Amino acid sequence: GQNIDQPTEMTATEGAIVQINCTYQTSGFNGLFWYQQHAGEAPTFLSYNVLDGLEEKGRFSSFLSRSKGYSYLLLKELQMKDSASYLCAVNPGTASKLTFGTGTRLQVTL
Amino acid sequence: DVKVTQSSRYLVKRTGEKVFLECVQDMDHENMFWYRQDPGLGLRLIYFSYDVKMKEKGDIPEGYSVSREKKERFSLILESASTNQTSMYLCASSPYRDPQPQHFGDGTRLSIL
Repeated sequence: GQNIDQPTEMTATEGAIVQINCTYQTSGFNGLFWYQQHAGEAPTFLSYNVLDGLEEKGRFSSFLSRSKGYSYLLLKELQMKDSASYLCAVNPGTASKLTFGTGTRLQVTL
Repeated sequence: DVKVTQSSRYLVKRTGEKVFLECVQDMDHENMFWYRQDPGLGLRLIYFSYDVKMKEKGDIPEGYSVSREKKERFSLILESASTNQTSMYLCASSPYRDPQPQHFGDGTRLSIL
């Protein structure tokens, strides 16, 4: 079976840095995706990792360790608009299917 | 930009009805997916299709069927709607070559009374 774990909720202050962790146990691995989903809206793609290491995209970075089955999404200089759910998803190598975690709801406060 | 369009944002139906949810994408993507999203359970895959007339079951196909007669359109069918199918339904598409991010529609919030 496939198992992806991430914290349910996190709170952080505007201007701060927050790290959202994701651990996975899947039958195979062909990449890990992070999505952002604002309440009532569609998930939007943030980042993709398939090799170990850090991928940086502006204020957002994502890290992967395949040997540990672990990834994190790092959000810097938090803004109120970053309040959203963040979804971790793994492609286990079966066609283009993704297995999603339950998502982490991030609340940014003043 | 990729555009995935779902036919309705909100839909209310009665138990026992046959319900059709439609999804259209405009980027010539081979892969299309149907998910449902429930609080505490996240996104769960119902069915997906990697080509016209091709379909494969996802993790929770029971009570659902799909149709893909044209490349750009993927329909989800609730054969006989039940109250436990009240949910947010999300359609997504992606190119065939791996791995590629999936692009999502805005979702249909379906209530079965």
